[in-house]
Amino acid sequence: TQLLEQSPQFLSIQEGENLTVYCNSSSVFSSLQWYRQEPGEGPVLLVTVVTGGEVKKLKRLTFQFGDARKDSSLHITAAQPGDTGLYLCAGEASGGYNKLIFGAGTRLAVHP
Amino acid sequence: DAGVIQSPRHEVTEMGQEVTLRCKPISGHNSLFWYRQTMMRGLELLIYFNNNVPIDDSGMPEDRFSAKMPNASFSTLKIQPSEPRDSAVYFCASSFQGADTQYFGPGTRLTVL
Repeated sequence: TQLLEQSPQFLSIQEGENLTVYCNSSSVFSSLQWYRQEPGEGPVLLVTVVTGGEVKKLKRLTFQFGDARKDSSLHITAAQPGDTGLYLCAGEASGGYNKLIFGAGTRLAVHP
Repeated sequence: DAGVIQSPRHEVTEMGQEVTLRCKPISGHNSLFWYRQTMMRGLELLIYFNNNVPIDDSGMPEDRFSAKMPNASFSTLKIQPSEPRDSAVYFCASSFQGADTQYFGPGTRLTVL
C-alpha cells in the first residue's frame, strides 16, 4: 500500500519566518504534487515534480523532489498571512488514470 | 470557464435518510473523482470514473455508498441509509486523462444527525 506521511501536522508561525513541510513515503512515486486548500474550498494544485532531485520555485515557495522519488519538501520563505491554509502532498498511484494518494496535510497558520 | 460544480454546498439530514450529492465536472474532462475529507482521516479517494465508467471503487466504505456517472457532464454520490459517521466534506474533482492536474469543486459539507 502506498502511503504518504506529512510533517508537521500543525505549524503556527509569525509573518516573516521561514518554514519547511515534509512529505515522506517508503514507496516510489512517478510524480508528487503539492496542493493548498483554504477553508471552505477544494484543494488547488501548486506544483507537480516529476524528476528525482528536481527543484521548482513558485515565488517564495520552493519544492523539492527527493533523488529516490520517495519524498518531497515545501519550503516557504518569509511567510505571509496569505500563506495560511492546509498544504497537501499527493503522489500518483500505480494503475494510471491520474489516481492520487494524499497525505494527511500540514495546517499552516501565519500570524501578522 | 466554470470550474467543477457541486450541489448542494451544505446538507443536514437525519440518520437513516437518503443523501444524494451532485457533481458537474469541467467540460472536456474525462476523469472524475469523488473524495471524502475528515479531520481524522484526511482526504480519501472513494471512487473514480474514466469516460463515465467506474474504474476503481475500492475506497467506497460500504454498500450504503453508491456512485453513478450517466453522462460526461454529471455524476452522483448516494448514501442510503446515512449514518452520523458519514458526516464529512465530500469533494468531486475532474481531470483530463493524461494531464496531471485534478480540479476540485468547492465540496459538499454533509452533517448527519
